[in-house]
Parts: sequence; C-alpha cells; structure tokens
Amino acid sequence: DGGITQSPKYLFRKEGQNVTLSCEQNLNHDAMYWYRQDPGQGLRLIYYSQIVNDFQKGDIAEGYSVSREKKESFPLTVTSAQKNPTAFYLCASSISSGGTYEQYFGPGTRLTVT
Amino acid sequence: AQTVTQSQPEMSVQEAETVTLSCTYDTSESDYYLFWYKQPPSRQMILVIRQEAYKQQNATENRFSVNFQKAAKSFSLKISDSQLGDAAMYFCAYRTRYNFNKFYFGSGTKLNVKP
Repeated sequence: DGGITQSPKYLFRKEGQNVTLSCEQNLNHDAMYWYRQDPGQGLRLIYYSQIVNDFQKGDIAEGYSVSREKKESFPLTVTSAQKNPTAFYLCASSISSGGTYEQYFGPGTRLTVT
Repeated sequence: AQTVTQSQPEMSVQEAETVTLSCTYDTSESDYYLFWYKQPPSRQMILVIRQEAYKQQNATENRFSVNFQKAAKSFSLKISDSQLGDAAMYFCAYRTRYNFNKFYFGSGTKLNVKP
C-alpha cells in the first residue's frame, strides 16, 4: 500500500537534547512538508522540500532543521534551540505536476519534551 | 500572501441533519485549488473534498458538497445526513496553481455531532 509513515508515534525527550522525527513516503511524490500542530490549533508550516537536496523554510523554521537526501525521506530534527518543542508533528507529501495536487498526510508524531 | 479564514471555531449538529462549515480566503490569483480536510480524534488528516478554481461546478463526494463562490472567495462545506463519525476538526486549505508546493490552511472548525 502506498502512503506516508512517521515514526515513532510518541516520542519523549529531555530538554536540551536534539531529536529527529522520521518521515518516509512511497508515493513517488516530489514535494514533502513538515507541519507543527498545537492543541486546538491549525497547521503551521515548518519546512518544505520540492526536490531532493533542496528545501525551504516555512513560517516557523527557527529551531528546526531538515534534510532531503532521498526522494522518499524527509527527516525533521528538533534542536535544543527550539524554545517550545512539545507539539504534534505532521509530515505530508504531494505531487508537483499533474494529478490532483492535494497533500497526503502521515499519522503524525507526538513529541513531548520535559 | 494568501490567507484562509474559518470563522467558526466550533459547531454542533444533530445526527442525520445538515450542517455547513464556512471558509473564506484571500488571493489575487485566478487559478488555484481548494480542499477540505477532516482530522478525527486519531489526528490523521483525511482529504474530504477538492475543488479546482477554474471549474464552476461545485464538487460533491457522497454526503459532502461544497458551495464555491469564486467572486466572493468563499468555499463552504455542507455535510448532509450527519453521522457520529463526522465528528472531527475540519480544515479548509488553499493551494496556489503557480507555486505547487505551498499550501495555506485555516485554523479549523471543530464539529460535534449529537446523537
């Protein structure tokens, strides 16, 4: 089955530690995205990538970093510089040309930093 | 920059009745795409319906339909015969035709369905 996987579903870290969230897709999509969602809030874009080895900052990139070494993978690192990292993180992908253009989402990772 | 506004933070509907969720957006472009996503308690985002701006006909998907008013920049979602499983957060989203890789989301509407 084609889709997006995010692991782990729940992640706990101590303050001051960097943590990497995994996102893998087998949909052959060019574009991938990371969003942050706080309780009762909408989605805020952290980073997005249109193609391998290229990515752009979204609206709240400070304290986060990404890489896109493979088309299928777009890991997000939450660094110790992120002041309030506890949140729900959603990864998404979409086709860049042709098709119906919607985003497909992974199941999300709930990160708790104490 | 494009903005998407959902003015109803929370709504309630009786089971089997009809409810309409509103969404407005601001854009200077003429060609774009609009979406409604559902986020149930599991938090998995699910596409409900999509609309291409160049199409005048309103999209429908079973019990879900939209009222797309391009001049008014309005994109409301109508849910007919509401079911308990429809209870969720609903997000309206906009994607520009000319920058495929940028989506804009509204703040969401929480829909409660009463039995």
